[in-house]
Amino acid sequence: GQQVMQIPQYQHVQEGEDFTTYCNSSTTLSNIQWYKQRPGGHPVFLIQLVKSGEVKKQKRLTFQFGEAKKNSSLHITATQTTDVGTYFCAGRAGGTSYGKLTFGQGTILTVHP
Amino acid sequence: KAGVTQTPRYLIKTRGQQVTLSCSPISGHRSVSWYQQTPGQGLQFLFEYFSETQRNKGNFPGRFSGRQFSNSRSEMNVSTLELGDSALYLCASSLMADSGANVLTFGAGSRLTVL
Repeated sequence: GQQVMQIPQYQHVQEGEDFTTYCNSSTTLSNIQWYKQRPGGHPVFLIQLVKSGEVKKQKRLTFQFGEAKKNSSLHITATQTTDVGTYFCAGRAGGTSYGKLTFGQGTILTVHP
Repeated sequence: KAGVTQTPRYLIKTRGQQVTLSCSPISGHRSVSWYQQTPGQGLQFLFEYFSETQRNKGNFPGRFSGRQFSNSRSEMNVSTLELGDSALYLCASSLMADSGANVLTFGAGSRLTVL
């Protein structure tokens, strides 16, 4: 079945440093979504990418969808303590928007002030 | 508008018992998905319901079951609880529009501890 791998599993950074998490799927995706879960909270939707090679920005966050629609990345510039949490990517198998959403294992980000 | 509501928020059960968790989606959302979250396993997909029909199912044993009612509210049941079932169970609702992808809105979760 479809697998979504996410690396790294953990990332510790000093405040102000950049951070990147990568997501790779074993199959072509119809779209990919990113979620953030704060410690003790629940996942909250950040963004969705649909088109091959798509790049979207949200303030200090940059999201990319690979040309082959099998990988994606989230880059945070100049991290802040408010960025702490677990970042998940989630992809749906190609060809349908109704397939189950498979989540990556998540990257736990710790930001040291 | 109100978010996704899950009840109960916390519960403790013993091995062999069964448990039923409830989820009320956002008004107008017709799809409900369930996920199990454990520290080492991330978010594991359980099942997805749309218009009272199970649309997708994850790789969990038959002890895990669910259903959706005509008002889109959903329940999941775990029978013959095992220690390994201790987890945060998250429910998420989505519009399930005819076009485009579906974004999930998660509830706060039901934290189950099995002793």
